[in-house]
Amino acid sequence: IAGITQAPTSQILAAGRRMTLRCTQDMRHNAMYWYRQDLGLGLRLIHYSNTAGTTGKGEVPDGYSVSRANTDDFPLTLASAVPSQTSVYFCASSDRGATDTQYFGPGTRLTVL
Amino acid sequence: GQNIDQPTEMTATEGAIVQINCTYQTSGFNGLFWYQQHAGEAPTFLSYNVLDGLEEKGRFSSFLSRSKGYSYLLLKELQMKDSASYLCAVADSNYQLIWGAGTKLIIKP
Repeated sequence: IAGITQAPTSQILAAGRRMTLRCTQDMRHNAMYWYRQDLGLGLRLIHYSNTAGTTGKGEVPDGYSVSRANTDDFPLTLASAVPSQTSVYFCASSDRGATDTQYFGPGTRLTVL
Repeated sequence: GQNIDQPTEMTATEGAIVQINCTYQTSGFNGLFWYQQHAGEAPTFLSYNVLDGLEEKGRFSSFLSRSKGYSYLLLKELQMKDSASYLCAVADSNYQLIWGAGTKLIIKP
């Protein structure tokens, strides 16, 4: 059982390019989340999904989009990357929502040049 | 606005006890979490408090006072492997987690 997997592990991307970060969980959790983590700042929620077929905006959604076609997958797309999107991105899942333990993937380190 | 405050960095000695504080101001409260994050790794769950008082789990304990908007994480019998960042997070009235910036704990022999 893998838990949550993310791909790629790291990526260097030219500004203006489109990029999709992949996230898959095998715990059949209802809720999934995308965070970015920057030095000196807390985890910031980008988008979330409380159940398959629904998504919502978090604290910093601009420049990002998500989809939740099924329970297991929750990809994050950067339509046109900018240098300020350089960050470590974590995907997480929980069974019942924000008051339940969140399980995190290993993260994707993204550098936009 | 919503705010979670934690010390940026703390240093402690192996075998000792350390208390990491967290104060919060959020729109509503639906529980407070502590997570541990080793450098270069993902956060992992440590504790969840929704009622006032102390929750003990082995060497780690977490305390909550909702009236004071305050929590602490107590680590006893410190080990070198406890060197990590400790993240405080509060579930607000919209059931979204608001995260503190984390406290980097350095353990010295």
